[in-house]
Formats: sequence, structure tokens, C-alpha cells
Amino acid sequence: AQSVSQHNHHVILSEAASLELGCNYSYGGTVNLFWYVQYPGQHLQLLLKYFSGDPLVKGIKGFEAEFIKSKFSFNLRKPSVQWSDTAEYFCAVNENNNDMRFGAGTRLTVKP
Amino acid sequence: DVKVTQSSRYLVKRTGEKVFLECVQDMDHENMFWYRQDPGLGLRLIYFSYDVKMKEKGDIPEGYSVSREKKERFSLILESASTNQTSMYLCASSSKTSGITYNEQFFGPGTRLTVL
Repeated sequence: AQSVSQHNHHVILSEAASLELGCNYSYGGTVNLFWYVQYPGQHLQLLLKYFSGDPLVKGIKGFEAEFIKSKFSFNLRKPSVQWSDTAEYFCAVNENNNDMRFGAGTRLTVKP
Repeated sequence: DVKVTQSSRYLVKRTGEKVFLECVQDMDHENMFWYRQDPGLGLRLIYFSYDVKMKEKGDIPEGYSVSREKKERFSLILESASTNQTSMYLCASSSKTSGITYNEQFFGPGTRLTVL
């Protein structure tokens, strides 16, 4: 079955540490890729998206993600996290303009 | 700014009751979606609509129905609420641009439904 996997359920980091959250998908066709963030008590909002072009995508708040087609991955990165990055992060994949599937989410806790 | 509003933030209902969750968006988006969000399961699509009076089943439509009589409004209906429908319900909308149906989605704040 088509799926989106986020391997880390809960990540705990100290401020200034580097972040990488994994996202893998099982689709074989053309994909559109998204990372969403949900801050505590707030609604889901888009961090960044990839449709085509440069596989390194930059988003808001210093986040970036790299699409590696051969690895079916779209990992989210940030060089130096802040306490305010504490949130839940969701990867989402759309294949061939059909369907949109979300990963189970990764909860990030940043310790001040 | 796109705004997606949901009628209630918190709702408590009893088993067997009929429940209506309302969602309104103000950006003239063609597509609207209903998800449920459960810990460890992420977001699962219940139903979506790509036009007025059109609807498509998502991954978990059982026990739910939807209504889209106007472009800006998409309602989720639990015909007979059950305890396993206790969850966070999220509404989202997106535009259909350049032929891309599944563009960036804009989410509402969610309705936390408890069924007793």
C-alpha cells in the first residue's frame, strides 16, 4: 500500500542543535511533497513544498528540505533549532495529482 | 490571508446523536477536505470535495457523510456518533491552480469531538 513514513515519533533537542526529520514515501510516480507544522494550540500550516525544479527547497523560519528521488525521501532540516520550533511536524505526499497522504507526524521538543 | 473557520473548537456528544461539523473558507477555493487527526496516526482523509455538490470518499469514510451546497461551506455529518469517533477533526481547503488538485492546503483550527 502507498504510504508515508516518518521514522521519528518524538525528537528532543537542545537549542542550537541541528535538526533532521526523516520522511520516506512508497510512491513510484510523479510526486508533490510538503512539510506542515503544527505549533501547540495552533492550526496546521505549510512550512515548505516541492513540485519540481531544484530538489533543495527552502521554507519559512530557516527550514529546508531535500528531495532525493532515488531514496524516495524528503527530509526536513534546520541548522540550529530554537525553543519556538517546538511543534509537531507532518510530511505529506501527493502522487500523480491523485490523493494526498500524511505521515504520522514527528513531535519535536526543543529544550531551552 | 486565507481563512478556514470551523464552527466549534470543542464538542461533546452522546453515542447515537447526529453531529454536524461546519467548515467555511473565504478564499474561493475549489477543493475542501475533512480529516481526522489521532495521535500516532497522523491525518487521515475522511472525505473531500472538488466542487459544489461533488464529493469523494477518502480513506476512512465509514460512519460519516458530507454536504457541500455552497462553494465556501463543507459540512461533515456523523449520522450516529460512536465512541470510536472521538477525535480531532480538521477541515482544509486548497485552490486548483495549473491543473494541480492537491496544492497547498489551508487548515482550520480543528474541532475536538468527544463522544460519550
